[in-house]
Amino acid sequence: EADIYQTPRYLVIGTGKKITLECSQTMGHDKMYWYQQDPGMELHLIHYSYGVNSTEKGDLSSESTVSRIRTEHFPLTLESARPSHTSQYLCASSEYGLGLGGTGELFFGEGSRLTVL
Amino acid sequence: AQSVAQPEDQVNVAEGNPLTVKCTYSVSGNPYLFWYVQYPNRGLQFLLKYITGDNLVKGSYGFEAEFNKSQTSFHLKKPSALVSDSALYFCAVRASNYQLIWGAGTKLIIKP
Repeated sequence: EADIYQTPRYLVIGTGKKITLECSQTMGHDKMYWYQQDPGMELHLIHYSYGVNSTEKGDLSSESTVSRIRTEHFPLTLESARPSHTSQYLCASSEYGLGLGGTGELFFGEGSRLTVL
Repeated sequence: AQSVAQPEDQVNVAEGNPLTVKCTYSVSGNPYLFWYVQYPNRGLQFLLKYITGDNLVKGSYGFEAEFNKSQTSFHLKKPSALVSDSALYFCAVRASNYQLIWGAGTKLIIKP
Protein backbone atom coordinates (compact mmCIF):
# COMPACT_ATOMS: atom_id res chain seq x y z
CA GLU A 1 0.00 0.00 0.00
CA ALA A 2 1.46 3.34 -1.09
CA ASP A 3 1.83 6.07 1.53
CA ILE A 4 0.61 8.94 -0.58
CA TYR A 5 -2.58 10.79 0.23
CA GLN A 6 -4.79 13.17 -1.66
CA THR A 7 -7.53 15.40 -0.31
CA PRO A 8 -10.28 16.02 -1.07
CA ARG A 9 -11.27 12.84 -2.90
CA TYR A 10 -14.28 14.57 -4.41
CA LEU A 11 -15.00 18.28 -4.82
CA VAL A 12 -17.90 20.07 -6.49
CA ILE A 13 -17.53 23.85 -6.71
CA GLY A 14 -18.84 26.81 -8.64
CA THR A 15 -17.07 28.72 -11.38
CA GLY A 16 -14.58 31.32 -10.21
CA LYS A 17 -13.73 29.69 -6.90
CA LYS A 18 -10.15 29.16 -5.79
CA ILE A 19 -9.30 25.56 -4.93
CA THR A 20 -6.28 23.71 -3.62
CA LEU A 21 -5.82 19.99 -4.03
CA GLU A 22 -3.57 18.54 -1.36
CA CYS A 23 -1.02 15.78 -1.83
CA SER A 24 1.25 14.36 0.85
CA GLN A 25 3.61 11.42 0.95
CA THR A 26 5.43 9.83 3.85
CA MET A 27 8.04 7.92 1.85
CA GLY A 28 10.60 10.73 1.70
CA HIS A 29 10.54 10.78 -2.09
CA ASP A 30 12.16 13.76 -3.76
CA LYS A 31 10.19 13.45 -6.98
CA MET A 32 6.49 14.27 -7.14
CA TYR A 33 4.06 14.66 -10.00
CA TRP A 34 0.55 15.84 -10.85
CA TYR A 35 -1.35 14.14 -13.65
CA GLN A 36 -4.74 14.89 -15.17
CA GLN A 37 -6.89 11.89 -16.06
CA ASP A 38 -10.11 11.94 -18.07
CA PRO A 39 -12.17 8.80 -18.84
CA GLY A 40 -10.84 6.86 -21.81
CA MET A 41 -7.87 9.16 -22.17
CA GLU A 42 -4.17 9.05 -21.47
CA LEU A 43 -2.76 10.45 -18.26
CA HIS A 44 -1.26 13.86 -18.92
CA LEU A 45 1.55 15.31 -16.82
CA ILE A 46 0.73 18.85 -15.72
CA HIS A 47 3.40 19.56 -13.08
CA TYR A 48 6.38 17.87 -11.50
CA SER A 49 9.01 18.55 -8.87
CA TYR A 50 12.39 16.99 -8.26
CA GLY A 51 12.82 18.46 -4.81
CA VAL A 52 12.08 21.33 -2.46
CA ASN A 53 11.73 24.68 -4.24
CA SER A 54 11.87 22.95 -7.63
CA THR A 55 8.76 22.85 -9.85
CA GLU A 56 8.30 22.41 -13.58
CA LYS A 57 5.37 22.45 -15.98
CA GLY A 58 4.53 19.21 -17.70
CA ASP A 59 3.45 18.40 -21.21
CA LEU A 60 -0.16 19.47 -20.80
CA SER A 61 -0.77 23.18 -20.54
CA SER A 62 -2.55 23.93 -17.31
CA GLU A 63 -3.78 27.04 -15.55
CA SER A 64 -2.96 25.47 -12.22
CA THR A 65 0.09 26.22 -10.10
CA VAL A 66 2.05 24.11 -7.64
CA SER A 67 4.49 24.66 -4.81
CA ARG A 68 7.05 22.46 -3.05
CA ILE A 69 8.04 23.99 0.25
CA ARG A 70 8.38 20.66 2.06
CA THR A 71 9.53 17.32 0.67
CA GLU A 72 6.34 15.56 1.70
CA HIS A 73 3.85 18.11 0.44
CA PHE A 74 2.97 19.08 -3.17
CA PRO A 75 -0.30 21.04 -3.38
CA LEU A 76 -1.95 22.09 -6.64
CA THR A 77 -3.93 25.33 -6.83
CA LEU A 78 -6.47 26.70 -9.27
CA GLU A 79 -6.98 30.43 -8.71
CA SER A 80 -10.29 30.60 -10.57
CA ALA A 81 -11.94 27.31 -11.43
CA ARG A 82 -13.83 26.86 -14.70
CA PRO A 83 -15.96 23.98 -16.04
CA SER A 84 -13.06 23.04 -18.35
CA HIS A 85 -11.08 22.14 -15.22
CA THR A 86 -13.49 19.32 -14.44
CA SER A 87 -11.34 16.21 -14.32
CA GLN A 88 -9.58 13.74 -12.07
CA TYR A 89 -6.22 14.85 -10.72
CA LEU A 90 -3.68 12.23 -9.70
CA CYS A 91 -0.67 12.87 -7.52
CA ALA A 92 2.33 10.55 -7.63
CA SER A 93 5.81 10.27 -6.18
CA SER A 94 8.94 8.30 -6.92
CA GLU A 95 12.26 7.66 -5.25
CA TYR A 96 14.15 7.46 -8.51
CA GLY A 97 13.40 9.30 -11.72
CA LEU A 98 13.68 8.05 -15.25
CA GLY A 99 16.77 9.96 -16.27
CA LEU A 100 20.43 8.92 -16.27
CA GLY A 101 19.68 5.24 -15.83
CA GLY A 102 16.92 5.70 -13.30
CA THR A 103 14.08 3.23 -13.54
CA GLY A 104 11.82 4.53 -10.86
CA GLU A 105 8.28 3.36 -10.48
CA LEU A 106 5.58 5.80 -9.51
CA PHE A 107 3.41 5.56 -6.40
CA PHE A 108 -0.02 7.12 -6.90
CA GLY A 109 -2.59 8.60 -4.58
CA GLU A 110 -6.25 7.70 -5.00
CA GLY A 111 -7.01 10.88 -6.93
CA SER A 112 -9.09 14.02 -6.50
CA ARG A 113 -12.16 14.21 -8.69
CA LEU A 114 -13.03 17.85 -9.36
CA THR A 115 -16.33 19.04 -10.81
CA VAL A 116 -16.74 22.72 -11.63
CA LEU A 117 -20.29 23.86 -12.25
CA ALA B 1 6.60 11.34 -32.63
CA GLN B 2 6.67 9.55 -29.31
CA SER B 3 3.50 7.67 -28.49
CA VAL B 4 1.86 4.69 -26.85
CA ALA B 5 -1.15 2.89 -28.27
CA GLN B 6 -3.49 0.49 -26.52
CA PRO B 7 -5.66 -0.61 -29.44
CA GLU B 8 -8.44 -2.19 -27.38
CA ASP B 9 -10.71 -0.08 -25.20
CA GLN B 10 -12.01 -3.23 -23.52
CA VAL B 11 -11.00 -6.86 -23.30
CA ASN B 12 -13.40 -9.55 -22.10
CA VAL B 13 -12.06 -12.89 -20.85
CA ALA B 14 -13.65 -15.83 -19.08
CA GLU B 15 -12.22 -16.70 -15.69
CA GLY B 16 -9.49 -19.30 -15.98
CA ASN B 17 -8.63 -18.42 -19.56
CA PRO B 18 -5.39 -16.71 -20.57
CA LEU B 19 -5.52 -12.98 -21.09
CA THR B 20 -3.57 -10.51 -23.22
CA VAL B 21 -3.74 -6.73 -23.11
CA LYS B 22 -1.97 -5.13 -26.04
CA CYS B 23 0.43 -2.18 -26.12
CA THR B 24 2.56 -0.76 -28.91
CA TYR B 25 4.93 2.16 -28.64
CA SER B 26 6.95 4.60 -30.68
CA VAL B 27 10.09 6.14 -29.16
CA SER B 28 13.64 6.57 -30.32
CA GLY B 29 16.40 4.60 -28.69
CA ASN B 30 15.98 1.79 -26.20
CA PRO B 31 12.54 1.92 -24.58
CA TYR B 32 11.75 1.83 -20.89
CA LEU B 33 8.28 0.26 -20.71
CA PHE B 34 5.80 -0.01 -17.86
CA TRP B 35 2.42 -1.45 -16.99
CA TYR B 36 0.18 -0.02 -14.28
CA VAL B 37 -3.23 -1.17 -13.04
CA GLN B 38 -6.07 0.93 -11.66
CA TYR B 39 -8.77 -0.76 -9.61
CA PRO B 40 -12.10 1.08 -9.16
CA ASN B 41 -11.78 4.13 -6.90
CA ARG B 42 -8.11 3.37 -6.30
CA GLY B 43 -4.85 4.91 -7.41
CA LEU B 44 -2.70 3.40 -10.12
CA GLN B 45 -0.39 0.61 -9.00
CA PHE B 46 2.85 -0.46 -10.64
CA LEU B 47 2.73 -3.97 -12.16
CA LEU B 48 6.00 -4.46 -14.01
CA LYS B 49 8.65 -2.84 -16.17
CA TYR B 50 11.09 -3.63 -18.94
CA ILE B 51 14.40 -1.79 -18.97
CA THR B 52 16.85 -4.26 -20.43
CA GLY B 53 17.60 -7.97 -20.43
CA ASP B 54 15.17 -10.85 -20.82
CA ASN B 55 12.27 -10.00 -23.13
CA LEU B 56 9.80 -11.69 -20.78
CA VAL B 57 9.38 -9.80 -17.54
CA LYS B 58 7.37 -10.97 -14.56
CA GLY B 59 5.45 -8.71 -12.25
CA SER B 60 2.87 -8.54 -9.51
CA TYR B 61 -0.27 -10.69 -9.22
CA GLY B 62 1.01 -13.31 -11.70
CA PHE B 63 1.21 -10.91 -14.63
CA GLU B 64 4.00 -10.93 -17.17
CA ALA B 65 4.79 -8.93 -20.29
CA GLU B 66 6.70 -9.67 -23.43
CA PHE B 67 8.90 -7.06 -25.07
CA ASN B 68 9.12 -7.41 -28.84
CA LYS B 69 11.53 -4.93 -30.37
CA SER B 70 10.76 -5.71 -34.00
CA GLN B 71 7.04 -5.23 -33.45
CA THR B 72 7.54 -2.38 -30.96
CA SER B 73 5.11 -4.09 -28.62
CA PHE B 74 4.90 -4.79 -24.91
CA HIS B 75 1.81 -6.94 -24.39
CA LEU B 76 0.62 -7.80 -20.89
CA LYS B 77 -0.28 -11.43 -20.26
CA LYS B 78 -1.53 -13.78 -17.59
CA PRO B 79 -1.94 -17.55 -18.03
CA SER B 80 -5.17 -17.86 -16.04
CA ALA B 81 -7.44 -14.89 -15.41
CA LEU B 82 -9.18 -14.20 -12.11
CA VAL B 83 -12.36 -12.16 -11.61
CA SER B 84 -10.30 -9.94 -9.31
CA ASP B 85 -8.08 -9.00 -12.28
CA SER B 86 -10.93 -6.85 -13.63
CA ALA B 87 -9.54 -3.32 -13.73
CA LEU B 88 -8.16 -0.61 -15.99
CA TYR B 89 -4.66 -1.28 -17.33
CA PHE B 90 -2.28 1.40 -18.56
CA CYS B 91 0.88 0.99 -20.61
CA ALA B 92 3.56 3.70 -20.48
CA VAL B 93 6.92 4.41 -22.07
CA ARG B 94 9.71 6.75 -21.10
CA ALA B 95 9.95 9.74 -23.40
CA SER B 96 13.07 11.65 -24.40
CA ASN B 97 12.40 14.22 -21.65
CA TYR B 98 12.56 11.42 -19.06
CA GLN B 99 8.84 11.58 -18.31
CA LEU B 100 6.25 8.92 -19.06
CA ILE B 101 3.95 8.85 -22.06
CA TRP B 102 0.78 6.92 -21.27
CA GLY B 103 -1.66 4.90 -23.28
CA ALA B 104 -5.39 5.57 -22.98
CA GLY B 105 -5.96 2.44 -20.92
CA THR B 106 -7.71 -0.88 -21.53
CA LYS B 107 -10.61 -2.02 -19.41
CA LEU B 108 -10.23 -5.69 -18.59
CA ILE B 109 -13.39 -7.57 -17.66
CA ILE B 110 -13.11 -11.11 -16.35
CA LYS B 111 -16.40 -13.00 -16.35
CA PRO B 112 -17.04 -15.87 -13.91
